[in-house]
Amino acid sequence: GAGVSQSPSNKVTEKGKDVELRCDPISGHTALYWYRQSLGQGLEFLIYFQGNSAPDKSGLPSDRFSAERTGGSVSTLTIQRTQQEDSAVYLCASNSGLAGVIEQFFGPGTRLTVL
Amino acid sequence: AQKVTQAQTEISVVEKEDVTLDCVYETRDTTYYLFWYKQPPSGELVFLIRRNSFDEQNEISGRYSWNFQKSTSSFNFTITASQVVDSAVYFCALSETHRDDKIIFGKGTRLHILP
Repeated sequence: GAGVSQSPSNKVTEKGKDVELRCDPISGHTALYWYRQSLGQGLEFLIYFQGNSAPDKSGLPSDRFSAERTGGSVSTLTIQRTQQEDSAVYLCASNSGLAGVIEQFFGPGTRLTVL
Repeated sequence: AQKVTQAQTEISVVEKEDVTLDCVYETRDTTYYLFWYKQPPSGELVFLIRRNSFDEQNEISGRYSWNFQKSTSSFNFTITASQVVDSAVYFCALSETHRDDKIIFGKGTRLHILP
């Protein structure tokens, strides 16, 4: 596609339920990033993929959070047993993955509300 | 440790005034990249500029200009003759090249341009 797309755009769930957030990177981009933006806060790095591998999972806030990427393209961020503090906008970004190419292109985000 | 500080959480100016958004960063790397992103009310992050640590030349793009000073670890952003459409949250960010291009974001400055 022309840009990074994310779905759903909005998700409301009840505490304790699991949610899956999807990211479609720009076609051909091998690097993919997930960030979280809580209300009034900056962006918090969650996880990074190069191809299907995640060399840096340091930002995942707890073991309830996991992510996978298949086929070097679509990625899914899963939050199990959601808590109210998980409410945030989850942003995905991609870049070409080429050495020295730093710019990340961001999707519109998924706004998650945990009731 | 790497860190980006945007001390101004919120600024309001009247249209046509000039406004400067401050950004101070911390890093131990000698090679790094600095960014500014704009997040309008629609929520999507828009890339504005990237500057690498070896290039201290100031940059001007239309009404936007950036002042990079390594001596004070600052990368300030000035909007000249502001317009209502400039109203947004602006994020300064840092990427250290040894960290797989993970971007560390500041908390952002919310800019209100009043008509």
